[in-house]
Amino acid sequence: EAQVTQNPRYLITVTGKKLTVTCSQNMNHEYMSWYRQDPGLGLRQIYYSMNVEVTDKGDVPEGYKVSRKEKRNFPLILESPSPNQTSLYFCASSLRGLGILSYNEQFFGPGTRLTVL
Amino acid sequence: KNEVEQSPQNLTAQEGEFITINCSYSVGISALHWLQQHPGGGIVSLFMLSSGKKKHGRLIATINIQEKHSSLHITASHPRDSAVYICAVRAYNTDKLIFGTGTRLQVFP
Repeated sequence: EAQVTQNPRYLITVTGKKLTVTCSQNMNHEYMSWYRQDPGLGLRQIYYSMNVEVTDKGDVPEGYKVSRKEKRNFPLILESPSPNQTSLYFCASSLRGLGILSYNEQFFGPGTRLTVL
Repeated sequence: KNEVEQSPQNLTAQEGEFITINCSYSVGISALHWLQQHPGGGIVSLFMLSSGKKKHGRLIATINIQEKHSSLHITASHPRDSAVYICAVRAYNTDKLIFGTGTRLQVFP
């Protein structure tokens, strides 16, 4: 089954304790992206990756790191989490970068609800 | 002011009603996406539009590039259509998506 998986689905942690949220897709997609969703603010892009070893900042990259060493995986790293990073996080992938004019449906993971105390 | 505005923010309807959700944007775009987020949180892509109109089942999406406006219509609405509908635009010459804050739709039997 074609899908995007995220782990963990739920996480409660404390300020300053490094954590990684994993994202994996099995569709051989080139483009992967991380978003956070907050009440009243909607979805905002954190980082995205056009392909292996190619990453770029979205609108809210502060406090996050990413890496793309393999095509299928795009982990989100919070080196020193803070309470303002409490949010619902989504990973998504699509066949190619969104700038290319072809049908590029985005497939979303199930979300990771993170609480930083 | 947000670059992508949706209206209404909340919408209630009786089963069978025709629903319209609007999206206006202020930037030049190469495409517009409509997404559906279910009460459980999962997000599904409904449409990607760069011009004209697309139809899938009871859902119809239109876009007017000159007016910077898109609409999502649901015909013969059903309680299972209850969800948050999100508009997102791909700003011209970028690979970023800019999202609206969503329209929460509740359809009652």
